[in-house]
Order: sequence, then C-alpha cells, then structure tokens
Amino acid sequence: ETGVTQSPTHLIKTRGQQVTLRCSSQSGHNTVSWYQQALGQGPQFIFQYYREEENGRGNFPPRFSGLQFPNYSSELNVNALELDDSALYLCASRRTGTGYGYTFGSGTRLTVV
Amino acid sequence: AQSVTQLDSHVSVSEGTPVLLRCNYSSSYSPSLFWYVQHPNKGLQLLLKYTSAATLVKGINGFEAEFKKSETSFHLTKPSAHMSDAAEYFCVVSESGYNKLIFGAGTRLAVHP
Repeated sequence: ETGVTQSPTHLIKTRGQQVTLRCSSQSGHNTVSWYQQALGQGPQFIFQYYREEENGRGNFPPRFSGLQFPNYSSELNVNALELDDSALYLCASRRTGTGYGYTFGSGTRLTVV
Repeated sequence: AQSVTQLDSHVSVSEGTPVLLRCNYSSSYSPSLFWYVQHPNKGLQLLLKYTSAATLVKGINGFEAEFKKSETSFHLTKPSAHMSDAAEYFCVVSESGYNKLIFGAGTRLAVHP
C-alpha cells in the first residue's frame, strides 16, 4: 500500500486569501475525511466524502469546502482565510465497509498571517 | 452526543516501566473505540481498535487496551516503555460505520532513560 499523501507539507497564506490543500489516497479508498488539528488539540472533523459526494460535515462554516475525484484524490478548499484557520490539516481515507480503519496522511501545516 | 475525555494531558515514565494512558468516553450507541499515536511531523497511526468483540484489545508495539462498559473507560497500557514510545496519543470514538471520528485532546507521553 502506498499510503495517503498530502501536499504541500507547509503553507503560509495571508488573511483573506483562499487556499487549496490536496490529498492522494490509496486505490480503492472511496471514503475520505478531512480534519483540522489546532496546536495542542485533537483533530476536529471537517467533512467526509463518499463517491464524490459530501455525506457528513462537522461544525465548520461553508467557506470550508471539498472535492473528491474518481482517481481517489481529494481537495480541501478554504476561502476568506482567518488567523484561526492556522492548523495542521489531515486527510484520512478508507475502504467502505465494516472493519476497515482510516489511514491518515502526514498533514499540511497551514499558517495564516 | 459522543465525546472522549483523556484524563492526563502529560504522562512521564522511565524506560522499562509500565505505561497507563487513561480515556473515558460517552456514547449513546455501542461505540467503536480507537487509540492513535502521532509522532512529530508524522501522520496518525492506528495502535488498536475495539469494535464490540473481545474487551481486551491487543495492538501494535506491545500496546493493549481494555474496554470497560460499566466504567465507560478504554485505558491504554504497555508493560514496559521504550524510548521510541514518546509521542502524542489520542483516544478516539466513532459513530457506527466508522464515519466521523471524535478525538480526545491527546496525552503527551515522555519516556526518560
């Protein structure tokens, strides 16, 4: 298995800008979730996609949006960046079905200045 | 609503001594419970998972956890700590179907020579 790959590893953006984070999942992993991990905290669920449709969302505003593609890649888009958006963003994917756990990427560290 | 409380934000042990990381959960359903480990600049790695089979769950690297429904606990243990165990540990509860993962705040484990 090749694992879950996220890019870029680090990113600095200015308040008000837009950002796109990317994730490449393993073949067959048709469920992908994104998490935000602020410094010193546990990851918080942003949303989940299954077969290119959003099927679950956490307590995040609409300026957080996503896409999932047929080739098992996905994107997290954040508009109108705020300072509090500075965090580690984690992508996790899995096969659908009982017994399959999530595989996490190493994350993208986003700093908003 | 589901939630997870990790009772210690920091735990410090000597190499070769036992490790105990404490976790209590709250769930309206029969929960799926996990422990993940996060090393610096690395993704989250699954240590073990409980999914209503045996209450004593064995994981990787000598870790194990016991599900105690009467105490709503899922504590992580290891008989003998190794220097390489130093990391952040997260207790996680999931709604049925392995969808949204709810993370605790984390316990930072330090291992001293």
